[in-house]
Amino acid sequence: QSALTQPRSVSGSPGHSLTISCTGASSDVGGDNYASWYQQHPGKAPKLLMYDVYQRPSGVPDRFSGSRSGNTASLTISGLQSEDEADYYCFSYSATHGWLFGGGTTLTVL
Amino acid sequence: QMQLVESGGGLVKPGGSLRLSCAASGFSFSDYYMSWIRQAPGKGLEWLSYISSSGSTIYYADSVQGRFTISRDNAKNSLHLQMNSLTAEDTAIYYCARDPWGPWRGGMDVWGQGTTVTVSS
Repeated sequence: QSALTQPRSVSGSPGHSLTISCTGASSDVGGDNYASWYQQHPGKAPKLLMYDVYQRPSGVPDRFSGSRSGNTASLTISGLQSEDEADYYCFSYSATHGWLFGGGTTLTVL
Repeated sequence: QMQLVESGGGLVKPGGSLRLSCAASGFSFSDYYMSWIRQAPGKGLEWLSYISSSGSTIYYADSVQGRFTISRDNAKNSLHLQMNSLTAEDTAIYYCARDPWGPWRGGMDVWGQGTTVTVSS
């Protein structure tokens, strides 16, 4: 079980918004603004969606946004589209556990 | 076009060894930290190891410390992972990835397609 806790699954309707949380501790997510998020479609390699909590790499739609409050980092997807259906992982350095991925969240677009 | 291509995966018996490689192209490989990440069948991502641009600084996950060795050859734009004492729990897809911001920030922006390692008798 990862030290970064994500909901196992989330779902939403096309056009709606949803948020995926990643809860850790002050020694990791809560310690700095360095959490990152990855999207992985079945059978594909992960893709960087967000770094430094809030920063979007070029090419990532602005429908994706990141935030952090206390020991929880969050990824918000607005205007849900069918192609957003994928697994999502947070990632952070932890002073106590080294580098960690969250357990992953499966997003289903209804 | 930035690209990472892993190779070297395959079927290996428990206790055996395997050496994975990752060929980089389309960017200045020697400028970047690199990492290995794996994903067991039906499971999530697991970070394994980081190596600095020069190769002088290396970090490992506890799960592979002492069994796996990361290395790089900047002259050949290649990254390697020597895996020894393999067990069934090492069965996974192994990805290499580029980290442009250094390990403390943990953003990996270019990933390979992965190479599959199966440990079975």
